[in-house]
Amino acid sequence: GAGVSQSPSNKVTEKGKDVELRCDPISGHTALYWYRQSLGQGLEFLIYFQGNSAPDKSGLPSDRFSAERTGGSVSTLTIQRTQQEDSAVYLCASSRLSSPLHFGNGTRLTVT
Amino acid sequence: TQLLEQSPQFLSIQEGENLTVYCNSSSVFSSLQWYRQEPGEGPVLLVTVVTGGEVKKLKRLTFQFGDARKDSSLHITAAQPGDTGLYLCAGAQGTYKYIFGTGTRLKVLA
Repeated sequence: GAGVSQSPSNKVTEKGKDVELRCDPISGHTALYWYRQSLGQGLEFLIYFQGNSAPDKSGLPSDRFSAERTGGSVSTLTIQRTQQEDSAVYLCASSRLSSPLHFGNGTRLTVT
Repeated sequence: TQLLEQSPQFLSIQEGENLTVYCNSSSVFSSLQWYRQEPGEGPVLLVTVVTGGEVKKLKRLTFQFGDARKDSSLHITAAQPGDTGLYLCAGAQGTYKYIFGTGTRLKVLA
């Protein structure tokens, strides 16, 4: 597809379970970002990839959160031992360096 | 730490009215972007402003970047129901980092 694709679009999980969120960026976009959005508010930066490297992980809330990117393309955000406060919409964006961000439609995560 | 404050947080107006949304920070940004987000979708870029004092117009939307590149405003003339959504400003720091504002939820009533 032409845009950023995220899957699943919705995920309901029980507290304590692990979840994996996937992002397929626009082809040729070297930069990839993960953001978190709670209750339709502003976006909280989580992590930035340039190629397969993550030079900025400063926004990851705890060591339960991790992310990787392979082949300079697909990225996976993993949350271990989910907690209720992890419930939010997780947004992925990609871009060429120093160019505007293109966002996916997000994954809505609900932890029960 | 939230570096960009938007005001108002919520705004409900009648069709045809004018409105202004503000985005303020104590930090300097190399550029500033405005996005609009609709329910169930990701934010979509409206405009990028780069130069202090710059004004950009996009049909009924007017964007201004403050002289010191710390603040910005979005003015909508004669609002329409199709303008309804969440408006987000985002300041660029360096070559890759974008700090997003707290958001302004606009509802335009027909």
